[in-house]
Amino acid sequence: AQRVTQPEKLLSVFKGAPVELKCNYSYSGSPELFWYVQYSRQRLQLLLRHISRESIKGFTADLNKGETSFHLKKPFAQEEDSAMYYCALKRWDTDKLIFGTGTRLQVFP
Amino acid sequence: NAGVTQTPKFQVLKTGQSMTLQCAQDMNHEYMSWYRQDPGMGLRLIHYSVGAGITDQGEVPNGYNVSRSTTEDFPLRLLSAAPSQTSVYFCASSYTIAGLTYNEQFFGPGTRLTVL
Repeated sequence: AQRVTQPEKLLSVFKGAPVELKCNYSYSGSPELFWYVQYSRQRLQLLLRHISRESIKGFTADLNKGETSFHLKKPFAQEEDSAMYYCALKRWDTDKLIFGTGTRLQVFP
Repeated sequence: NAGVTQTPKFQVLKTGQSMTLQCAQDMNHEYMSWYRQDPGMGLRLIHYSVGAGITDQGEVPNGYNVSRSTTEDFPLRLLSAAPSQTSVYFCASSYTIAGLTYNEQFFGPGTRLTVL
């Protein structure tokens, strides 16, 4: 079965510090991987997807198939990055999205 | 466009009561789904639908029913509410390309349900 693991429930950093939110997955096929974000009092929304290889709000994530990881990184955290972050996996042959348990990022001034 | 809408925003039920959580989208998306969000558990898929008249179970379907009579609406029914169903419920939708769901799912604002 497919599984997404986010080992950190809470990550606290100071403004300007680098951030790395970890995501590991288990799936024998070729996955599609995503990061979703939920800011306070807002809807869950897509942050980025691995196939786009894009940087959104300064965040990047690289799919490492050897380590089965898709860690989210930002070199300099901002206070407005404080939110709940979810890593998600989708198999190529299904419509279902499997979410990890989420990591709450707190960025202190 | 209103996007994905959910009603009600909050609901308190007694054990054994039934109710329907409403979800609607105006983006003509074929794929719709229901998740529950619990602390430490993330989002878990309850049921999903790939089009009108087609539904399937997700990870945690027990205690919930769905139907999809139109493209726009995807209600979630709790037949006999239990305290374990206390949660925040999110509806989401996505469009499909060549029969498969596109990458991005659009989420509703959520319904916070408490079962006493």
